[in-house]
Amino acid sequence: DVKVTQSSRYLVKRTGEKVFLECVQDMDHENMFWYRQDPGLGLRLIYFSYDVKMKEKGDIPEGYSVSREKKERFSLILESASTNQTSMYLCASSLQTGGRQPQHFGDGTRLSIL
Amino acid sequence: GQNIDQPTEMTATEGAIVQINCTYQTSGFNGLFWYQQHAGEAPTFLSYNVLDGLEEKGRFSSFLSRSKGYSYLLLKELQMKDSASYLCAVKAERSARQLTFGSGTQLTVLP
Repeated sequence: DVKVTQSSRYLVKRTGEKVFLECVQDMDHENMFWYRQDPGLGLRLIYFSYDVKMKEKGDIPEGYSVSREKKERFSLILESASTNQTSMYLCASSLQTGGRQPQHFGDGTRLSIL
Repeated sequence: GQNIDQPTEMTATEGAIVQINCTYQTSGFNGLFWYQQHAGEAPTFLSYNVLDGLEEKGRFSSFLSRSKGYSYLLLKELQMKDSASYLCAVKAERSARQLTFGSGTQLTVLP
């Protein structure tokens, strides 16, 4: 089974801090994704990566950056955290080829910015 | 732009059948996914449709009509453990790697 591991289940940070969320997958997947999930808004894509050192903006990239130095690891960075970034953050991965390849999700990080 | 609509909440009784609808308007279409998400847990993959028709997988079935931009997830013989949020997601382009998700339907199964 695919295992997607997010480094923290719960995280509390202060406004203005630089925050790192880490995600590791163990199935050699090419694609990795970062979403945030908010009530009534569903999952919204922040950034994704299709290869090492490659990244593309999703629907809501403002205030975030990402890093993919190794194939198995995809990091989300909040450069200067703000209260409106309080949310559930979900990481996912998928194989490159084939339309029917599903995304596999981690358990999420519930981030609170005070 | 992309738009995916699902009902926000549904309630059904244990042992019954429930149908969760999803309508989409997207710039292209290359497949529709259904995911299940229990509270506090990761979404897990349920089904994938790319051609019109019904795909059956045990108690769960998923239907697609591309001409109508419409899909549904059918859950039979409901169990209490089926209480969860059900997410509809569309892959808009053949070359796209990303999905566009609906807001999810929170299903509550009552005894």
